[in-house]
Amino acid sequence: SYELTQPPSVSVSPGQTARITCSGDALSKQYAYWYQQKPGQAPVLMIYKDSERPSGIPERFSGSSSGTTVTLTISGVQAEDEADYYCQSADSSGSVVFGGGTKLTVL
Amino acid sequence: QVHLVQSGSDLKKPGASVKVSCKASGYIFTHYAMVWVRQAPGQGLEWMGWINTNTGNPTYAQGFTGRFVFSLDTSVSTAYLQISSLKAEDTAVFYCARVGGYEMFFDSWGQGTLVTVSS
Repeated sequence: SYELTQPPSVSVSPGQTARITCSGDALSKQYAYWYQQKPGQAPVLMIYKDSERPSGIPERFSGSSSGTTVTLTISGVQAEDEADYYCQSADSSGSVVFGGGTKLTVL
Repeated sequence: QVHLVQSGSDLKKPGASVKVSCKASGYIFTHYAMVWVRQAPGQGLEWMGWINTNTGNPTYAQGFTGRFVFSLDTSVSTAYLQISSLKAEDTAVFYCARVGGYEMFFDSWGQGTLVTVSS
């Protein structure tokens, strides 16, 4: 199996842009997905196939990919965006891996 | 809309077994695979494996073979996770989640079931 590496924490002031990265060798060949998890709640899919946004997800959430790194960008961060964010991918055999998670703090 | 409703929290003694249910509604159950994800207290998400809801064939991730069993009752659109020979380190929240499509990502999640193993 392989690993996905995320920074443990990111801090940003309201209205600023937050960028959360996720790195892993397989990301150059496989799609990445992003989930938001607030305390005591189940994860929610925020981005799929690197950059697609499910219906109902605010436009301020976007995803991008470059080589072995994918990035979740939150533009105009709001207090309600404070949460843990997890990237996820799968290898060619269908085995799934999650990144370790990034705690986004809105200052 | 899609809903996954899991069974309630459970407290078990070491060595016991537990069966967590995940009842799906709002879509055709057998058209989408289901996965199970573990989250230990204060930790991240860990994929346990998935079950093909059309064939019933389970696939277990490394570290989740032997004591973990995925099963289905398609007549009531419900997936189950059974864990036997429980240990204290099995204490966690267990989530079921629907696989979103051909790719392995998860577009709907159950609310989670806390299983506490303590003597």
